[in-house]
Amino acid sequence: DIQMTQSPSSLSASVGDRVTITCRASQTISSYLNWYQQKPGKAPRLLIYAASSLQSGVPSRFSGSGSGTDFTLTISSLQPEDFATYYCQQTYSTSITFGQGTRLEIK
Amino acid sequence: EVQLVESGGGLVQPGNSLRLSCAASGFTFSSYAMAWVRQAPGKGLEWVSGISGSGANTYYADSVKGRFTISRDNSKNALYLQMNSLRAGDTAVYYCAKDSLNTMIRGRRWFDPWGQGTLVTVSS
Repeated sequence: DIQMTQSPSSLSASVGDRVTITCRASQTISSYLNWYQQKPGKAPRLLIYAASSLQSGVPSRFSGSGSGTDFTLTISSLQPEDFATYYCQQTYSTSITFGQGTRLEIK
Repeated sequence: EVQLVESGGGLVQPGNSLRLSCAASGFTFSSYAMAWVRQAPGKGLEWVSGISGSGANTYYADSVKGRFTISRDNSKNALYLQMNSLRAGDTAVYYCAKDSLNTMIRGRRWFDPWGQGTLVTVSS
């Protein structure tokens, strides 16, 4: 299986900060990488698909980039509702895998 | 509005079976592949299984292969997960999710939306 490694595992930041989360694949996955946001007790929500496409309804402060093995999710100016856990997901293989998650906490 | 509602979770003893259901509405169900994803308490997301829109093709994670069976009834807009020989390690919230494509091909696809999840607890 393709291993997905996110860094950092947790992150403390303040409202208004610019934040970047990294996801690295164990082999090339082209641009077949999605990002999800999950809040406690809730289902995951799709933010970014195909590495850099913003899902409808998602604020433009979220952006994604990368291809091959290295990808980033950037939040340009953190808002209170952005404090959550973020997961990357690869769909290059039919055996889909997720990163371990990055917990974004309020500083 | 697309809606997915899971049901069938509960407490079950190790070695026993359970069947989860996911009721879909708001889209042409047979036109999309579907997936099950689980999340153990306090842990991350784990893809469990997927099924194509027609139901002809199914895929499983190694951790559940041979024990779980995914199926769908397109006439009822329903997705199922039959879980046999359950283990403590299967304890998790199970989510169903709509795939962006009809088939489970590798490549440009994603899961959206997800249901609210149903909790399965395997314990004696």
